[in-house]
Order: sequence, then C-alpha cells, then structure tokens
Amino acid sequence: ETGVTQTPRHLVMGMTNKKSLKCEQHLGHNAMYWYKQSAKKPLELMFVYNFKEQTENNSVPSRFSPECPNSSHLFLHLHTLQPEDSALYLCASSQGEGDLGTQYFGPGTRLLVL
Amino acid sequence: GQNIDQPTEMTATEGAIVQINCTYQTSGFNGLFWYQQHAGEAPTFLSYNVLDGLEEKGRFSSFLSRSKGYSYLLLKELQMKDSASYLCAVLDSNYQLIWGAGTKLIIKP
Repeated sequence: ETGVTQTPRHLVMGMTNKKSLKCEQHLGHNAMYWYKQSAKKPLELMFVYNFKEQTENNSVPSRFSPECPNSSHLFLHLHTLQPEDSALYLCASSQGEGDLGTQYFGPGTRLLVL
Repeated sequence: GQNIDQPTEMTATEGAIVQINCTYQTSGFNGLFWYQQHAGEAPTFLSYNVLDGLEEKGRFSSFLSRSKGYSYLLLKELQMKDSASYLCAVLDSNYQLIWGAGTKLIIKP
C-alpha cells in the first residue's frame, strides 16, 4: 500500500449508531488531519495531530472523537451523529514541521447519516 | 474573519488557456497552495507560492501577489482530463490551511 488509505469508503449509519473511520499513511509523515467536505463548501479542518499530539480541535462537536495511536494511524470515532453530519470525510498527512501545507489526502469516506 | 474567494465554475475549450483567480484575507500568510480535485476523488497538490511572482510547472503556472492578496492558476493547452475542481488554500499564522470552496472547471471539446 502506498500513500494514504481510508476505510470504509462508504458508510451509512443511523443516528444512534457508533462507528469508526480509519486512516493510515505510508509516507513516513509526522502530521495527520481530519477534514469534512460538504458540497460547494470549503474543506473544514476538524482535527490536527503532530507527532501523535493533538494540536488543533476546531470547535468540533463531541460526537466526533479522534484517536491517534501512532504517527501512521488516525481514527475518527462517531456516535449519535446528526443528518447534517453527512459529508465526505477526508484524512490527510504532511511532513510536519517545515512543510504543513503540502498535504496528501486519502480517498475519503462518504458518510450518510439517516 | 478569514476568507478565500474563487469563482464557483468556469468553462473553457480543449487546447485553450484558462486562468482561475483566488483572492484571500487571512490572519497571517505562510504560503498559498493550489490543489486539484477530480469528481469523487481526493485533492492532490499542484503548486505552492510563498514569494511574489510566477511559478511554472509544465502546463500549469501559479502567480502570487501578497500585497494584493491575490493569486491565479494558469492552465495551458487544456486537456479533457483537466476537468476538475481547483482549490485555493492559504497557510495562515497558525500554520493551518484555510480553503476556498473550489472552482469547478469544465472543459468542452
């Protein structure tokens, strides 16, 4: 596997379900990100991890909970989501210090909340 | 607040040249980035400008004017595969990327 991978690619869940999104990067990067992408809107940064430490949490509701067990893996735990949370969730990675803007994205998880 | 503006959609003809503009107002500036995103796919990095001027990379060039808060992406010799959304993003004072909503480029034969 190369680059950034995400699973699952598609997810349908009810508002009472609990699910997790997984991201893995094979690039040796030190920073990882979760973004939300909704139609016709800018990418919204949700969480940033730098050297496994969470450095940003952009006012994301607590029903989204990130986990970064090591610099190659990132999870997004979901529970009691709302229909407006339906979107494409993208994971990205970058080298880290000195190169935070050149980011490599995974294919995303298309989430539908019913 | 922070704001990045770019046109929602543009149409161009195969073989022609198109310029996609981006204006920004951000808290701090540590570089401007252009990404390409094909429908249903992930964004991919295209170019990076931190100093004023033109950066050329094959058929794609990107220009920056920091004093004007302005950038453009120039695509030459357009091909059908260039049909995609083009995202402008600025690395702000917190070293976070602030994104525009993207410009959907439609190429017609």
